[in-house]
Amino acid sequence: GQQLNQSPQSMFIQEGEDVSMNCTSSSIFNTWLWYKQDPGEGPVLLIALYKAGELTSNGRLTAQFGITRKDSFLNISASIPSDVGIYFCAGQLQGAQKLVFGQGTRLTINP
Amino acid sequence: DAMVIQNPRYQVTQFGKPVTLSCSQTLNHNVMYWYQQKSSQAPKLLFHYYDKDFNNEADTPDNFQSRRPNTSFCFLDIRSPGLGDAAMYLCATSIPSGTYEQYFGPGTRLTVT
Repeated sequence: GQQLNQSPQSMFIQEGEDVSMNCTSSSIFNTWLWYKQDPGEGPVLLIALYKAGELTSNGRLTAQFGITRKDSFLNISASIPSDVGIYFCAGQLQGAQKLVFGQGTRLTINP
Repeated sequence: DAMVIQNPRYQVTQFGKPVTLSCSQTLNHNVMYWYQQKSSQAPKLLFHYYDKDFNNEADTPDNFQSRRPNTSFCFLDIRSPGLGDAAMYLCATSIPSGTYEQYFGPGTRLTVT
């Protein structure tokens, strides 16, 4: 099946640092989505990207849809304790009603 | 606020005892999904409904069934839960508008004893 390779798997940073994570695939995606999941909760949609090259921000979060349509990255600037959680990328293939998920990036922040 | 609601948030069932998880939505979305998520893993799609059309994933065990009596509600039935079925079960919705953003509920944590 289709796979998304998300990296890194985990990150341990200091509060205030910037964070970068990415997803890559051998397949072309029409839509890229970035979710954050807190322990014991469902994933929450952070940013949605629809066009190759698109760069979108949501507060301290910035995500880009890769030009080749096979990758995407998410940056978090000036991290704060509430950024802790697992971040998932998800891609939607053309014509598909379902998403392909990355394996997740677990973010831990040292105060 | 429009949302996806899952009840109960925590469910304990016995090995082999049927259990039903429920999901409701006030978003009026056409598509509803059920995912299984095990610890530290990505959500795994079990099946989805596009309106009343049911779409099963090829690797979803027969033990898992679903019902969607109307637009707002969707149920996940586990006929004979095994210890391996202990997981977080997530419901999500979307509209087939070309963006396919999925909105998740808070999940139901299922424990099998």
